[in-house]
Amino acid sequence: DAGVTQSPTHLIKTRGQQVTLRCSPKSGHDTVSWYQQALGQGPQFIFQYYEEEERQRGNFPDRFSGHQFPNYSSELNVNALLLGDSALYLCASSLPGWSTDTQYFGPGTRLTVL
Amino acid sequence: AQKITQTQPGMFVQEKEAVTLDCTYDTSDPSYGLFWYKQPSSGEMIFLIYQGSYDQQNATEGRYSLNFQKARKSANLVISASQLGDSAMYFCAMREWGQGAQKLVFGQGTRLTINP
Repeated sequence: DAGVTQSPTHLIKTRGQQVTLRCSPKSGHDTVSWYQQALGQGPQFIFQYYEEEERQRGNFPDRFSGHQFPNYSSELNVNALLLGDSALYLCASSLPGWSTDTQYFGPGTRLTVL
Repeated sequence: AQKITQTQPGMFVQEKEAVTLDCTYDTSDPSYGLFWYKQPSSGEMIFLIYQGSYDQQNATEGRYSLNFQKARKSANLVISASQLGDSAMYFCAMREWGQGAQKLVFGQGTRLTINP
C-alpha cells in the first residue's frame, strides 16, 4: 500500500523565481492538504483540495496556489519567491474533508530560497 | 480560534524509561479531535495516536497512550519503555473545521532525546 509521495525531495531557488511541488496521495484517499513548516516551528496549514477544488485556505498570500488533478494528485505553486518561503513543505492526504479521517503525511520537500 | 500549547521544548530520557509529553489545547467547539505525530530528522510526519473529544476511554496504540483530561484540556502523550529510535520531534495537533473541510493546527513541538 503506497503512502503519500512528494517530489522533489530538495529544491534550491533564488528570490523572485517560481516553484512547483508535487504530491501523490495515499491509495484510497482523495483529499490533499498542504502545510508549510519553517525551521523550528510546527506545520502551518496552506490549503486543502478535494474534487479538484480548493476547499479551505490558511493565512497565506495569493502567491501560493495549487491544483488537484483527476487522479487526486496535487501541485503547490509558489510565485515570486521570498527568502521567508524557505521551509519544509508537507503534503497530507485523507478521506473527504468532511470526514474525521486522519491525515497522513508525505516525506516533504525542503525548499531553500537564496 | 483553536490553539495548541506544548510547553516542553526539549526532553531527555534514559532508554527503557517511560516519558510523558505535555499538550494543552484551547477550543470552544464541543466536538474536536486531537492527534500526536512524530517527526524524525528525515522530516516525515508519522501519525501516532488519535483521541476524539467524545471518546470515553483514553486512546492506546502499542507503546503509545494518550492521557486525555477533558476538564483540564490536556492530551498528554505517554511513551512506555522508550527506545533509541523514539528520539525525534513530537507534535500535538487539533482538528479544526472550516468551510466544510478540516485542517490540523499544530503546537510548537517537543524534541525528545533518548539516551542509551
